[in-house]
Amino acid sequence: DAKTTQPPSMDCAEGRAANLPCNHSTISGNEYVYWYRQIHSQGPQYIIHGLKNNETNEMASLIITEDRKSSTLILPHATLRDTAVYYCIGVDYGGSQGNLIFGKGTKLSVKP
Amino acid sequence: EAGVAQSPRYKIIEKRQSVAFWCNPISGHATLYWYQQILGQGPKLLIQFQNNGVVDDSQLPKDRFSAERLKGVDSTLKIQPAKLEDSAVYLCASSLDHFPGELFFGEGSRLTVL
Repeated sequence: DAKTTQPPSMDCAEGRAANLPCNHSTISGNEYVYWYRQIHSQGPQYIIHGLKNNETNEMASLIITEDRKSSTLILPHATLRDTAVYYCIGVDYGGSQGNLIFGKGTKLSVKP
Repeated sequence: EAGVAQSPRYKIIEKRQSVAFWCNPISGHATLYWYQQILGQGPKLLIQFQNNGVVDDSQLPKDRFSAERLKGVDSTLKIQPAKLEDSAVYLCASSLDHFPGELFFGEGSRLTVL
């Protein structure tokens, strides 16, 4: 079973920041938090990952709470092309060799 | 860099028929995955290969599904005989060993079983 919980859907206005929350209170200390997104009719796409520290790349920022029980993916300036299902996943480097267990994710709708 | 290639993109068959899907991973990626995604759900892992060996096939319905990865590169996933509940998108993904959580997915093969 997925070890993360996410809201089923969210809306965001185009040009505004999209903040997608994820609860992962049961992940272990060795598990990284990964975010993927899936645009309609495409395969999932890697966005970003982190363990303890906040991370930023060209696509997004990842804010992980100090207790590691939750995180937030931030898309700083959402566009219509960011409309997708966003998945938050715990990955244990030491165990499953990258077996991603997907939940249902959050369906983000970016509106003009 | 070429991505993960899958074919066919779409397939419609009658129940009890057989079907095969093909996947060509990104060059140099040792690990290959097959996922099943039923409409409205997240992808579910069916089988994971490292080179040409099976790492995890615990979720593969072995009475009807089979997969192989000959020579550690291309892979095929076969369903025989198909059931109505096999209607889904079948996603292939690959990864480098030292980035086990960073998977590259193909566009998927959509199967409809009538």
